[in-house]
Amino acid sequence: GAVVSQHPSWVICKSGTSVKIECRSLDFQATTMFWYRQFPKQSLMLMATSNEGSKATYEQGVEKDKFLINHASLTLSTLTVTSAHPEDSSFYICSASQGLDYGYTFGSGTRLTVV
Amino acid sequence: AQSVTQLDSHVSVSEGTPVLLRCNYSSSYSPSLFWYVQHPNKGLQLLLKYTSAATLVKGINGFEAEFKKSETSFHLTKPSAHMSDAAEYFCVVRVTGGGNKLTFGTGTQLKVEL
Repeated sequence: GAVVSQHPSWVICKSGTSVKIECRSLDFQATTMFWYRQFPKQSLMLMATSNEGSKATYEQGVEKDKFLINHASLTLSTLTVTSAHPEDSSFYICSASQGLDYGYTFGSGTRLTVV
Repeated sequence: AQSVTQLDSHVSVSEGTPVLLRCNYSSSYSPSLFWYVQHPNKGLQLLLKYTSAATLVKGINGFEAEFKKSETSFHLTKPSAHMSDAAEYFCVVRVTGGGNKLTFGTGTQLKVEL
């Protein structure tokens, strides 16, 4: 079945530094990748949608300069949290899709803690 | 706009008894609906999906859901709960014309007791 690898699974960083999270589709080409944020005991909130080779589309209220998304190839998307602060601490999950007729495959998530 | 409402934030059942997790949807179009499960600090796993074919959808691990247009519901059921079913469950709708985006319900925490 389709597999999405997300790394790292957890990261602790100092306030003011930047953190990059990778999302790779291992055995299929993902035309679209999605990035979600999940606060403790809450649902997933879509942050942005990225299509290979084009700029990401951010949801309302998400700072695009803070959460940089790159989808350079059909198998790799990255989310960079720039100048991280404690309020950015959260669980970030990526998802990849081959298109409307296909499903969505989720990564295992990244627990970011900013200290 | 499409949306889903999960009616229970927590459900507790005894092992071996039936599971019912409720979800109602709102959509002007024939929706595509999904149920996902999330174990602690893990990603999401697809249980089943409805995409306008058979209204009774069978998924993995003995779960199934029935699409009822008259009730705008897509409840998730399982005849007999297992301890390993304890997790967070999300009812999800695909946004029509929304670039393949998904909208998640608020989730139902299922607890299975001995």
